[in-house]
Amino acid sequence: AQSVTQPDIHITVSEGASLELRCNYSYGATPYLFWYVQSPGQGLQLLLKYFSGDTLVQGIKGFEAEFKRSQSSFNLRKPSVHWSDAAEYFCAVALSGGYNKLIFGAGTRLAVHP
Amino acid sequence: EPEVTQTPSHQVTQMGQEVILRCVPISNHLYFYWYRQILGQKVEFLVSFYNNEISEKSEIFDDQFSVERPDGSNFTLKIRSTKLEDSAMYFCASSGGELFFGEGSRLTVL
Repeated sequence: AQSVTQPDIHITVSEGASLELRCNYSYGATPYLFWYVQSPGQGLQLLLKYFSGDTLVQGIKGFEAEFKRSQSSFNLRKPSVHWSDAAEYFCAVALSGGYNKLIFGAGTRLAVHP
Repeated sequence: EPEVTQTPSHQVTQMGQEVILRCVPISNHLYFYWYRQILGQKVEFLVSFYNNEISEKSEIFDDQFSVERPDGSNFTLKIRSTKLEDSAMYFCASSGGELFFGEGSRLTVL
């Protein structure tokens, strides 16, 4: 069965430090890949997506992610974290048709120390 | 910026009662979705809706659930005879190419 794994449940970084959130997927073909962010009590905001083409994608708020087919990974990165980045981050895949039926990972909760 | 709006933001109900969660998708979108997030767990797909019918549903979406687009603007999720385990945040989403999520309706079943 298709699945999305986010190995890190909780990550704490210092403000200004770099960040990498891991995401691995299990699927036979190349899926459509997404990263969403959820602040407490808020909805899901799309950070970035990968459908095809350049495997390094840029998103909003200074985030980027790299698709590595050989590792079935789509890790999210940010060179310098801001306190406002504290939130929960979800990796998701869609198996066909772009956005139809997203499968989400369990999420990684990011805490930022001042 | 266009947005998906959901009401109510929080509903508390007694077990066995019926609940209707409402969503107003973005006006020119044609694809609509409901997702669920039980507290502390991952977001799960419930159902997708296109052209006035369900296009796909998950195993969670059993006969207890139904969706409707009653008036061309609203998109509702009805949960009949609620159970304790239905307590969750329910997210509506719509797509016209890009997917937009609402801020969710938190359902608490007592």
